Amino acid sequence: KNQVEQSPQSLIILEGKNCTLQCNYTVSPFSNLRWYKQDTGRGPVSLTIMTFSENTKSNGRYTATLDADTKQSSLHITASQLSDSASYICVVSATKDDMRFGAGTRLTVKP
Amino acid sequence: GAVVSQHPSWVICKSGTSVKIECRSLDFQATTMFWYRQFPKQSLMLMATSNEGSKATYEQGVEKDKFLINHASLTLSTLTVTSAHPEDSSFYICSAARAGGSGDEQYFGPGTRLTVT
Repeated sequence: KNQVEQSPQSLIILEGKNCTLQCNYTVSPFSNLRWYKQDTGRGPVSLTIMTFSENTKSNGRYTATLDADTKQSSLHITASQLSDSASYICVVSATKDDMRFGAGTRLTVKP
Repeated sequence: GAVVSQHPSWVICKSGTSVKIECRSLDFQATTMFWYRQFPKQSLMLMATSNEGSKATYEQGVEKDKFLINHASLTLSTLTVTSAHPEDSSFYICSAARAGGSGDEQYFGPGTRLTVT
């Protein structure tokens, strides 16, 4: 069973709308949680990284939250743009080199 | 900074041949590089971890004799898919951890699309 579960699996929204992606994990111990954006046919690009003590981190229109007690994280995208269409991957690290990948949420932004 | 490149970006080869994929950290030294495979609509799956100057550590189920990894320098790691089969067709992505960093900084390459005919 995957230790990092993302929902929804896919999402379609209209340009300009906001959306929130979810990530639940059971990884233990916990080192950090990252959100990546992966365009089709490209490598993942880091959006945010949060450690245990951080509960929110912003990067432009992307805001990630972390509740280490409930082991949940969310990625909120504000005022979506067509270029936001991509897969968003939640990655939880147990140790320095041990990264557990979620299956990703495929976001499609339509005009 | 922190740019990772891969070469080639895509390759088509015939079944039974070998293919080498290069992963380079362009503006930093990477003590550790990681190789991932990604099938369509699936997330990245770690294949192996390579440390400069030592043998790679392979994940369970990954054949080390089929996927040869060489990390000869602090800026270059190579993955060679030997005796390729159509089921090896996939998207291969490397990442590099910056030397001297916390280990939490991993930078991904753009990926290499391998198609075996």
